Amino acid sequence: SQKIEQNSEALNIQEGKTATLTCNYTNYSPAYLQWYRQDPGRGPVFLLLIRENEKEKRKERLKVTFDTTLKQSLFHITASQPADSATYLCALDYAGNNRKLIWGLGTSLAVNP
Amino acid sequence: NAGVMQNPRHLVRRRGQEARLRCSPMKGHSHVYWYRQLPEEGLKFMVYLQKENIIDESGMPKERFSAEFPKEGPSILRIQQVVRGDSAAYFCASSPDLAGGYEQYFGPGTRLTVT
Repeated sequence: SQKIEQNSEALNIQEGKTATLTCNYTNYSPAYLQWYRQDPGRGPVFLLLIRENEKEKRKERLKVTFDTTLKQSLFHITASQPADSATYLCALDYAGNNRKLIWGLGTSLAVNP
Repeated sequence: NAGVMQNPRHLVRRRGQEARLRCSPMKGHSHVYWYRQLPEEGLKFMVYLQKENIIDESGMPKERFSAEFPKEGPSILRIQQVVRGDSAAYFCASSPDLAGGYEQYFGPGTRLTVT
């Protein structure tokens, strides 16, 4: 079955630096991969979706890459701010059911002022 | 455009009672998903529904749990005879009807506590 791995250790960075989070997966290649942000006590918020035929996608200070050979996605936040502190979740579609997602456990990011 | 609505936000039930969790998707969304999340754990898929149909319920426990999404009204996740292990945050999400609209929009969740 599909397995997703995200850095279990929290990431602490200084304000203004670039945060890079990793999502690795095994087995089949998904049709797309998504990144979400979750704050304590709240539901996840959709950030970006990247498809298997896309290498990179950007949205404001966010950038996602998708390497289907390495089976890895990198999520970058440039010029990070304390307000970016949250848990970031990676999600993939299930083979044969594009609307059903399997989720990573998330990586906690803390941006220090 | 209102977001995904869930109610109640907090629900306390005694062991053996029933819990009913409601979810109203965003306007224009007919795909609804229910997830369960425990502290320090990831989101666990439970069920995927479209209007009046259960598309995939492979994540639902076989007993005591059921879900519906009627033609009119919200989606309901029903847990009968709750046990302490059912205590968790339950999130509902919806996704657009348009082709390729796979991103999911989440509600604020219902925190169920079983005493």
